[in-house]
Amino acid sequence: NAGVTQTPKFRILKIGQSMTLQCTQDMNHNYMYWYRQDPGMGLKLIYYSVGAGITDKGEVPNGYNVSRSTTEDFPLRLELAAPSQTSVYFCASSYRTSGSDETQYFGPGTRLLVL
Amino acid sequence: GNSVTQMEGPVTLSEEAFLTINCTYTATGYPSLFWYVQYPGEGLQLLLKATKADDKGSNKGFEATYRKETTSFHLEKGSVQVSDSAVYFCALSDTTNAGKSTFGDGTTLTVKP
Repeated sequence: NAGVTQTPKFRILKIGQSMTLQCTQDMNHNYMYWYRQDPGMGLKLIYYSVGAGITDKGEVPNGYNVSRSTTEDFPLRLELAAPSQTSVYFCASSYRTSGSDETQYFGPGTRLLVL
Repeated sequence: GNSVTQMEGPVTLSEEAFLTINCTYTATGYPSLFWYVQYPGEGLQLLLKATKADDKGSNKGFEATYRKETTSFHLEKGSVQVSDSAVYFCALSDTTNAGKSTFGDGTTLTVKP
């Protein structure tokens, strides 16, 4: 199993450009998440999904969009990139049922620099 | 709402020293508690977990006990190594919170030879 994979690993964007961060998991997990981690800070939840076709906002959704057309994929779209979106982005997944302990499995991250 | 408060860092220790990183939580339900570790340049990975009161999670010499009476889940290791240098995150997962976990801000540990 590859687990959670993310592409690209690093990207430089100009202000106003857009891009999609890719995330794929091969563990048949129902829940998927996008976080951002700013330097020296903890994780902030951007969006999450409880299953294919269902997404919801986290703490910091502004400037981002997501979709979940399949169980495996959960891409994050940045429209009109701004310097404030410079961060490291982590995708995670978990298998959640009633009473499960919800361990999250993280990808290696995408480092984004907006100039 | 739920919250996790971690001991502020950074923490610098000499090799073979004893480690404690404090973590306390606030939750409305009956959460599961986790410690995740993030090595430089990598994503988070599960270090240990405990799913109910008085459970002890352990892995790689690290331990943490789920204390409901003090709402705490402190991480301990008896003898740290240079390879333990990383950022440690305390987290909780609450079945009443629609699938969202709550993470602490992380504590950076540096172990010097």
